[in-house]
Amino acid sequence: GQQLNQSPQSMFIQEGEDVSMNCTSSSIFNTWLWYKQDPGEGPVLLIALYKAGELTSNGRLTAQFGITRKDSFLNISASIPSDVGIYFCAGQLGSSASKIIFGSGTRLSIRP
Amino acid sequence: NAGVTQTPKFQVLKTGQSMTLQCAQDMNHEYMSWYRQDPGMGLRLIHYSVGAGITDQGEVPNGYNVSRSTTEDFPLRLLSAAPSQTSVYFCASSTGGGYGYTFGSGTRLTVV
Repeated sequence: GQQLNQSPQSMFIQEGEDVSMNCTSSSIFNTWLWYKQDPGEGPVLLIALYKAGELTSNGRLTAQFGITRKDSFLNISASIPSDVGIYFCAGQLGSSASKIIFGSGTRLSIRP
Repeated sequence: NAGVTQTPKFQVLKTGQSMTLQCAQDMNHEYMSWYRQDPGMGLRLIHYSVGAGITDQGEVPNGYNVSRSTTEDFPLRLLSAAPSQTSVYFCASSTGGGYGYTFGSGTRLTVV
């Protein structure tokens, strides 16, 4: 079946640093989604991307839909403690919400 | 709006026991899904529904049953619990299209 390769698996950063993570696949997706999960909670949608090459921002977060439609990137600028959590990419095949595939997540931690 | 409500939040079962995880949404979403989350494996789709009376299998359906008698409710039944079903279970709903899912806060299940 389809798989999403999300990297890095985990990262430790200093507060104030910029963060980058990405997701790649051998499949073409119509929609890319980025979620964040806080401890003990369900994932929450951060950004949705609908068109190849699209660049979308949500505050300090910026995500891009790759030109090939097989990858996506998420950047966080000037990280703060509340950015800690697990970030998931998800690709949606076609127009059905039943065809959403999740990456394995990037765990973001901040060095004390 | 309550969004997606899952009960219980925590559950411990003995091997062989059965139980039902409850999920309800008040957003009139057509699409509902059940995912399990295991360390390092992201979210894997168990079963999904595209509307009342319609369900289908996802990536890891074995050992689980679902039904969708109303738009609001989508319970997940474990028929005979096994230690391999120890996981965090998330219910999610969506309007469909490319808007992604709204997740519940999860049920942490331990099978001993």
